[in-house]
Amino acid sequence: AQTVTQSQPEMSVQEAETVTLSCTYDTSESDYYLFWYKQPPSRQMILVIRQEAYKQQNATENRFSVNFQKAAKSFSLKISDSQLGDAAMYFCASLLRYGGSQGNLIFGKGTKLSVKP
Amino acid sequence: DADVTQTPRNRITKTGKRIMLECSQTKGHDRMYWYRQDPGLGLRLIYYSFDVKDINKGEISDGYSVSRQAQAKFSLSLESAIPNQTALYFCATSDNGQAFSGANVLTFGAGSRLTVL
Repeated sequence: AQTVTQSQPEMSVQEAETVTLSCTYDTSESDYYLFWYKQPPSRQMILVIRQEAYKQQNATENRFSVNFQKAAKSFSLKISDSQLGDAAMYFCASLLRYGGSQGNLIFGKGTKLSVKP
Repeated sequence: DADVTQTPRNRITKTGKRIMLECSQTKGHDRMYWYRQDPGLGLRLIYYSFDVKDINKGEISDGYSVSRQAQAKFSLSLESAIPNQTALYFCATSDNGQAFSGANVLTFGAGSRLTVL
């Protein structure tokens, strides 16, 4: 069974600083996707970044980047130059590409990020 | 208009009442999902559908039923609501995942907050 663990219920960062949110996952499969979703107070779920497991290169999207360590099953999110609008709940999630659980996005419990001005 | 529309946005009901949450999408996606979000638990999958004739139970389907009326419509029903079904409910869609690149990205609706008294 897949599991996703976010060990930091809450994090805080100063505006313009860098913060890293941790995520570990467990799966016996080799072909899967990993995601970070952001949920601001508006409660909308917004995709931040996606990583395909077969790609060794870490995904980046502007100020957001990941550190994907496949052997360690670790998928951390780094936010650079933090902005007030980055304050939100962040969810790590995994998805198998094949198999009976295909389509079942497994979420971690989330990390609440606060950004201090 | 939003790609994935959920109605109602908010609903307060009483124990024992029947409730239907509706979801419609303009993405043209085959796959639709219902998730439930509880504080501290992240999102958990209730039901998912890969096409109109395909309905699958998720992690927490007990007490819920679904109907896929058309490719674009997927409704969630609580036949007899109970207080522990108080939660934020999300509908989501994704494509069929045949293409590795860009595949399996879920698009979420804005959520339906249900309170069962």
